[in-house]
Amino acid sequence: GAGVSQSPRYKVAKRGQDVALRCDPISGHVSLFWYQQALGQGPEFLTYFQNEAQLDKSGLPSDRFFAERPEGSVSTLKIQRTQQEDSAVYLCASGTSGGFTDTQYFGPGTRLTVL
Amino acid sequence: AQSVTQLGSHVSVSEGALVLLRCNYSSSVPPYLFWYVQYPNQGLQLLLKYTSAATLVKGINGFEAEFKKSETSFHLTKPSAHMSDAAEYFCAVSDRMGGGNQFYFGTGTSLTVIP
Repeated sequence: GAGVSQSPRYKVAKRGQDVALRCDPISGHVSLFWYQQALGQGPEFLTYFQNEAQLDKSGLPSDRFFAERPEGSVSTLKIQRTQQEDSAVYLCASGTSGGFTDTQYFGPGTRLTVL
Repeated sequence: AQSVTQLGSHVSVSEGALVLLRCNYSSSVPPYLFWYVQYPNQGLQLLLKYTSAATLVKGINGFEAEFKKSETSFHLTKPSAHMSDAAEYFCAVSDRMGGGNQFYFGTGTSLTVIP
């Protein structure tokens, strides 16, 4: 079946622009995670949904970052007034039953470059 | 909070040689532990995970890892490296205490297999 997909795969933004990154999880998966992966680093947790409920957003670096999953399937990560330090690969993952002990299935990521 | 350390950002082995990738975690309580692999331009894929059952965990593609509480380690091994094993490997830990819902990745180890 289809895996986790993310769009766009690449995004270039000028500093100060708003961007929206989309994640389509595996159909039926309850949990959805967003991570930020800077160059040469491991992924860093941003936020976690169980269905439409955002259960943990402690990893969001600032109030410029906002994530939603209104119908419990597709999720959007929005970054307002982008800064150069926001340049990274943004990874989305989904899981079957919820929680961090569950196996997470990752998408290919969106590479964001802020000029 | 949990943390995970991967010793050696780059490891090179000859084809057919033993693969050993090191991972140490910091926690007073054994967490859940994971190894993920990332091939170029692909999403992370779960190799194996430890969830407090058997301390020797077998994963896909011939990899295995042993949880050693006394050493707070979860090193990844494979008896004989294949060219197709060349990739980035990430160790990760999930906090199961205090209601924490975060997932922590190490900085990754890039494995090169020499023909």
